[in-house]
Amino acid sequence: EDQVTQSPEALRLQEGESSSLNCSYTVSGLRGLFWYRQDPGKGPEFLFTLYSAGEEKEKERLKATLTKKESFLHITAPKPEDSATYLCAVQFFSGGYNKLIFGAGTRLAVHP
Amino acid sequence: DVKVTQSSRYLVKRTGEKVFLECVQDMDHENMFWYRQDPGLGLRLIYFSYDVKMKEKGDIPEGYSVSREKKERFSLILESASTNQTSMYLCASRPQRAGDRNEQFFGPGTRLTVL
Repeated sequence: EDQVTQSPEALRLQEGESSSLNCSYTVSGLRGLFWYRQDPGKGPEFLFTLYSAGEEKEKERLKATLTKKESFLHITAPKPEDSATYLCAVQFFSGGYNKLIFGAGTRLAVHP
Repeated sequence: DVKVTQSSRYLVKRTGEKVFLECVQDMDHENMFWYRQDPGLGLRLIYFSYDVKMKEKGDIPEGYSVSREKKERFSLILESASTNQTSMYLCASRPQRAGDRNEQFFGPGTRLTVL
């Protein structure tokens, strides 16, 4: 079954305490893996797209990496403004279309 | 700047009412999507459209229909609202020929409560 699982469901960090969020997937024929950030009451905002194992992308305190079965979103020295829900989504080809499946997200809270 | 707007941020309806959720994008994107987002379940695709007057069922189309009469507008219709359709509804758009980022652009969402 095509599935995307994110862990942990929730994460509480102190400001400056680095950590990683995990996104594991079981799909055939990965076309792309996406990370989004979602603030409360708002729509998701795009962060990264990764296409192949070994690929890495960075933006400020965030770095996304990809293997054949999972992706990590590393947060280095987080600040309170990094608090949000982080969503992972996987795109693959199915039934003649590119399908996109989202994970349930990881709620990150960074405390001063 | 890219923009997807949704007609309402919050909506309260009664069981059995017909509900219209409107989404407008100003980026001339061919593809548009409707999702619902529920705690612990992530975003689930209801319907999508890859061109004017074209529509395809997503993973959970039951109880919903859509309309796309103009390229910039994609409407989600709840024919007879039920309490289990209480949710956050998100609209998104994406160009047919996407660049390297290949991302979808999301609206702010409509939180619908059905009483």
